[in-house]
Amino acid sequence: GENVEQHPSTLSVQEGDSAVIKCTYSDSASNYFPWYKQELGKGPQLIIDIRSNVGEKKDQRIAVTLNKTAKHFSLHITETQPEDSAVYFCAASDEVTGGGNKLTFGTGTQLKVEL
Amino acid sequence: ETGVTQSPTHLIKTRGQQVTLRCSSQSGHNTVSWYQQALGQGPQFIFQYYREEENGRGNFPPRFSGLQFPNYSSELNVNALELDDSALYLCASSSGQGTGELIFGEGSRLTVL
Repeated sequence: GENVEQHPSTLSVQEGDSAVIKCTYSDSASNYFPWYKQELGKGPQLIIDIRSNVGEKKDQRIAVTLNKTAKHFSLHITETQPEDSAVYFCAASDEVTGGGNKLTFGTGTQLKVEL
Repeated sequence: ETGVTQSPTHLIKTRGQQVTLRCSSQSGHNTVSWYQQALGQGPQFIFQYYREEENGRGNFPPRFSGLQFPNYSSELNVNALELDDSALYLCASSSGQGTGELIFGEGSRLTVL
């Protein structure tokens, strides 16, 4: 089955700096890679996703890159703000064979944006 | 859009008891998945329901079971509770069994004593 590894487990940045979180996956059949933000006491919130037919996707201060050959994908947050502080999870699934709902999650990154 | 709603938000059970958790999917979504999130971990896939049938299951024993109703709402049932079942149980809905675009609810926090 799929295995997703995520680094770092904790990340502390100064407000306004950039933050990068990296994930690797093992199953070459995976083709959908979402990122979720989870605040304390809440469920995961989808913030951005990418499919294997593109290499990069951007939405305002957030971008995701995908390297299919190396099986790496990364989340980039620019101009970080205190409200970006949360736990971020990467995930992977195979949408082609109908298994899109079966997301395999990484172990999470606790991001802290300091003033 | 009403989003995904789950109930109860918190509950405490003792070992050996049974629990039922409920989920209402987002308007327009016909597929429901359940995930278990242990403290400090990422969510783990339990199973998925589409057209009222289980359609995909993770590495969980048969004492984890579920239902989906004609209005696409769903229940998760856990029998013979064990201490390790203590976790946040998350329900997620999507517009189809193949899509990975899941919308999660806030979860039900289960504590087993």
